[in-house]
Parts: sequence; C-alpha cells; structure tokens
Amino acid sequence: NAGVTQTPKFQVLKTGQSMTLQCAQDMNHEYMSWYRQDPGMGLRLIHYSVGAGITDQGEVPNGYNVSRSTTEDFPLRLLSAAPSQTSVYFCASSLGAGGYEQYFGPGTRLTVT
Amino acid sequence: AQSVTQPDIHITVSEGASLELRCNYSYGATPYLFWYVQSPGQGLQLLLKYFSGDTLVQGIKGFEAEFKRSQSSFNLRKPSVHWSDAAEYFCAVGGATNKLIFGTGTLLAVQP
Repeated sequence: NAGVTQTPKFQVLKTGQSMTLQCAQDMNHEYMSWYRQDPGMGLRLIHYSVGAGITDQGEVPNGYNVSRSTTEDFPLRLLSAAPSQTSVYFCASSLGAGGYEQYFGPGTRLTVT
Repeated sequence: AQSVTQPDIHITVSEGASLELRCNYSYGATPYLFWYVQSPGQGLQLLLKYFSGDTLVQGIKGFEAEFKRSQSSFNLRKPSVHWSDAAEYFCAVGGATNKLIFGTGTLLAVQP
C-alpha cells in the first residue's frame, strides 16, 4: 500500500492563478480531509468528505473547492490563489469520521507570490 | 463549538526528565481525543487515542495520556524523555460532528 499520496510536493503560484492539489489513498477509506498548517496555527480543517459524492466545509473553507467523485481521490482546488493561501497542505484519510485514526500524506508546500 | 487548546507553545526538557504536555478541549458530547506527533518536515503520526473506558491510555514510544472529563483535559505524559522525542505535538478532538479539530501544537525541544 502506498497509503496517502499527495502531488505536487512543492508549488509556487502567482496571485490569481488556479491550481489543483492532488490527494489519493489506496486503503479504501471512506473519510478524507484537507488541512492547512501555518506556524502558530496548528492544523486547520479546510474541507472533508465522508464518502464519494459527499463533501462538507471545515473551519477555513473560503477560497477552496473540493469534489469526491471516487473513493480514492479527493482533490483540492484553489480557484484564484492569494498570498494568504501560502501554507503547507495535508491530506488525510480514515475508515470513518470522528473517532478513527487519520492517515496523513506527506504534504504539499505552496507559496503564493 | 468544538475546539482544542494547547497552552504551551514551546517546551524544553532535559533528556531523561519527565514530560507533560497540556491539552484542554471543548466539545458538547462525548469526545474522541487524540495525540499526534510531527517530526520536522514530516506528516503526522498517531501517538494514542481515547474513545471510552479506561481514562489512562497507553500509546507508542512510551507515551500515555489521561482523560479527565471534569477538567476537559487530555494531557500527554512520558516518564523519561529521549532526544528523539523532539518534535511538535498536536492534540485533537473528534466525534459525531465528522470533524477532527486540532490544537495549535506544542514544540518540544530536548536538551542533552
């Protein structure tokens, strides 16, 4: 098992550009989520999904879109990047929501200039 | 609202000394509580978790945590710290809301 994979590892965007951060898992997990990590802020939940076709907002959803067409994939889209979105982004998956161990990907470091 | 507070941003301990990292949570129902560790440049790894039952839970790498409902706390402890324990530690709370909410983290430094 590869676990949770994220691409790319690093990305630099200009303000206003769009891009998609990819996340895939091969553990047949129903629950997937996206977090951003900023110094002094910990991890903040952006969006999450409890299964294919079902997504919901987390703590900081503005500026980000998600969709979940398959169990395996949960891409995060930045429609118009802003410097405030400079962060490290982590994708995670688990068997279910709430009480299950989250398995984290290696992260994507995004810089918006 | 669901939230986690880790009051200590940075802690330094000597190798071999005991460690306690504090975590307080806010949750309207029975919480699921977690401690994760993040080594520099890495993702997060689960140390331990509490769902129900015995309020003292054991985890990996010699860590333990105690759930105290009356204090809304879930503090992480280790009797003797090793240099390899230097990392950032995150407390998190989950439950029926389908959201796992993290605290801001405590950065642990270990002095030789």
